[in-house]
Order: sequence, then C-alpha cells, then structure tokens
Amino acid sequence: ETGVTQTPRHLVMGMTNKKSLKCEQHLGHNAMYWYKQSAKKPLELMFVYNFKEQTENNSVPSRFSPECPNSSHLFLHLHTLQPEDSALYLCASSQLGREKDTQYFGPGTRLTVL
Amino acid sequence: QKEVEQDPGPLSVPEGAIVSLNCTYSNSAFQYFMWYRQYSRKGPELLMYTYSSGNKEDGRFTAQVDKSSKYISLFIRDSQPSDSATYLCAMSGGLGSRLTFGEGTQLTVNP
Repeated sequence: ETGVTQTPRHLVMGMTNKKSLKCEQHLGHNAMYWYKQSAKKPLELMFVYNFKEQTENNSVPSRFSPECPNSSHLFLHLHTLQPEDSALYLCASSQLGREKDTQYFGPGTRLTVL
Repeated sequence: QKEVEQDPGPLSVPEGAIVSLNCTYSNSAFQYFMWYRQYSRKGPELLMYTYSSGNKEDGRFTAQVDKSSKYISLFIRDSQPSDSATYLCAMSGGLGSRLTFGEGTQLTVNP
C-alpha cells in the first residue's frame, strides 16, 4: 500500500447505527486530518492530529469522535448521525516542519445516512 | 463573505483549448497557494504549489499569484480529456496553518 488509504470506500448507515471510518498513511508523516466534502461546498476541516495529539477540533458535533492511536492511523467514530452528515469524508496527512508541508489525501469514504 | 471565492462552473471546453481557472480571496495573511485536482471518486491531489506572488510553470500548467489583487489563477495549455476533473484552490497563512479551500471548479474537456 502506498500513500493514504481509507476504508470503507462506501458506507450506508441508519441514524441509530455506530460505525467507524479508518485511515492509514504510508508516508511517514507526523500530522493527519479529517475533512468533510459536501456538494457545492468547500472542504471543511474537522480535526487535526499532530504527533498523535489532537490540535484542532473545528466545532464538530460530538456525534463525530476521532481517534489517533499512532502517527500512521486515524479513525473517525460515528454514532447517531443525521441525514445532513451524508458527504465524502477525506483523510489527509502531511509532514509538519518541512519547507513545504503539502497535504496528501486519501480517496475518501462516501457516507450516506438514511 | 467567503474567505475564498471560486466559480464552481461547470466549465466545458474543446480539446486543445487554453483553460483559465481563478480564485479570489479576502485574507491578506495568505502566503501559500495551492491547486488541487480531484477526479471523480478520488481524493484531491496536489497539482501546483506557490509561495507569495509570481508565476510557476510545470509542463502544461501555470499558476499565477497576484497578492496585490488577492487573485490566483491556474492556466492549462493544450487541454486534454484527461484534464477533466474538479480543480480546487487552497491557501494558508503559513507552514502548518490550516488550508482554506475554494468550492472547486468542475472542468470537462471534450475530445
């Protein structure tokens, strides 16, 4: 595996379900991000982890719960979601401290909440 | 007012055309400017990265930044059907700072 991988690629869940999204980066980076991408809207930053420590929570509802057990893995735990949470959820990673801290994105998980 | 404005399109051009994609922004603290390309059912991939004002060229792609006008552009020369994608502009105030994205412009290059 290379780059940033995400599983599952597609997820359909009911409003009462609990599910988790997984992200893994194979780039040796020290920062990982969760973004939400909705139609006709810019990418919205949700969470930032720097060296496994959460450094940013962009006013995200508590029904989204991130977890970063190590610098290569990032999870997004979902529970009691709403239909308006349906979107593409993108994970990204970067190497902070370099001259150019480019963010590399995974393919995303397409989430549909019924 | 949005921090970054980008015409969402859609934009449709014939193969071989010169394409111009643009973003305007309001935050004068932005110093790093990026263009990402996102194919359908894929995540965004970095296309161009520029710091401060000026031009940067990479093959058929040229990125321009005019900080005095708070305006950035991406030019695609000799456009190809494989360039059909959504193009996202992004910018930040410094290394390690959060990226602020435009809405994305959907481009279709017709053979």
